[in-house]
Amino acid sequence: SHELTQPPSVSVSPGQTARITCSGDALTKQFVFWYKKKAGQAHVLIMYRDSQRPSGISERFSGSSSGTTVTLTISGVQAEDEAVYYCQSAGIYNTPWVFGGGTKLTVL
Amino acid sequence: QVQLVQSGAEVKKPGASVKVSCEASGYTFTYYFIHWVRQAPGQGLEWMGWINPNSGGTLYAQEFQGRVTMTRDTSISTAYIELSGLRSDDTAVYYCARGGDPPTNADDWGQGTTVTVSS
Repeated sequence: SHELTQPPSVSVSPGQTARITCSGDALTKQFVFWYKKKAGQAHVLIMYRDSQRPSGISERFSGSSSGTTVTLTISGVQAEDEAVYYCQSAGIYNTPWVFGGGTKLTVL
Repeated sequence: QVQLVQSGAEVKKPGASVKVSCEASGYTFTYYFIHWVRQAPGQGLEWMGWINPNSGGTLYAQEFQGRVTMTRDTSISTAYIELSGLRSDDTAVYYCARGGDPPTNADDWGQGTTVTVSS
């Protein structure tokens, strides 16, 4: 199966914009989904199909896609955004899910 | 609200089997796929497969073929994963997650079950 590559860490100051990338050859044909994981809490779906935001997710989160790279953008970063962010892709049926290695977002 | 409540931590010896449960509430159990994902210490997330609670149909990741069995009991809205032939590298947190159709992603996750394999 294919691989998804994420930067291990991203650091930003409060109020700045954080961008987390997810790259993989299959992303020209598959959508990407993003999950946020904070210690002691369950994973939360924060973006689906590259750029669709589930209800209840802040408008500060947005997604975009270009070629083999999908980017999660967090505007006006807040302390509560500090977490590990995972990207994931899959085909429609009978195809395995693939996860990126996760990106630790640190709010300075 | 949707809840996925998993069974408690397990400690097993190499070669043994473990069965983890995932009790769903807050939605119609048979309308959504249940996925299983694990995370070993210091590692990333690893998808293990899914079960369609309506039909009982399953799809397992190739890495676990022959060792994993996913089942469900619709009368109690509970899904199970059983992993046999445990090895030390099966030590991980095992998560269940709920997802729609097509089964491309998870909408909600359980809190995780720690499985430790040690002699």
